Amino acid sequence: EVQLLESGGGLVQPGGSLRLSCVVSGLTFSNYAMSWVRQAPGKGLEWVSSISGSGGGTYYADSVKGRFTISRDNSKNTLYLQMNSLRAEDTAVYYCAKSTHPTFGGVGAYDYWGQGALVTAPS
Amino acid sequence: SYELTQPPSVSVSPGQTARITCSGDALPKKYAYWYQQKSGQAPVLVIYEDNKRPSGIPERFSGSSSGTVATLTISGAQVEDESDYYCYSTDSSGNEGVFGGGTKLTVL
Repeated sequence: EVQLLESGGGLVQPGGSLRLSCVVSGLTFSNYAMSWVRQAPGKGLEWVSSISGSGGGTYYADSVKGRFTISRDNSKNTLYLQMNSLRAEDTAVYYCAKSTHPTFGGVGAYDYWGQGALVTAPS
Repeated sequence: SYELTQPPSVSVSPGQTARITCSGDALPKKYAYWYQQKSGQAPVLVIYEDNKRPSGIPERFSGSSSGTVATLTISGAQVEDESDYYCYSTDSSGNEGVFGGGTKLTVL
């Protein structure tokens, strides 16, 4: 059974940093691209960042570029999101999502999702 | 940045056909994916690569894409289909993912 388990969410002051983790089990982790998707309270889904299965390709939304860093440790089956210079508008539930494809780029569906981690940066 | 446009809401009676559209300039070149999200839950994939249905998704869910518009169709909508629905794709370069704004489907 495939499972994704996020951790690391919490309350952080604007300008602060936080690192989210997502541990994946039940599959060969390095075979799949992974992504972070967030949802602000009462709002829609927003794509944040993606990384290829090898870790060689990373992609970011303009809203987080230069502040967030996505990475993965395939030996630990873990995906990370390092979030720096947090703003009030970063407050959201952050989901990790597994792609059906090893690379990112217009192919691959998100077929498994974590339960979400809440990040709160009050204004 | 690239945008996908969905209607904010769609309403149908039980048993009717619900159609939710998603428009974007890159859709002629890039696949559309559709996700269903119920309140407080993670999204669930219901259509991938424009018109393919994952195992476990009822046959009443179908997808199509023509030109710059992708469409999710729910034939014979049921009360349990009431959810928010999001389309997803990437820009023409494939370097930026994007979700549509979401459509709230009401079945009553």
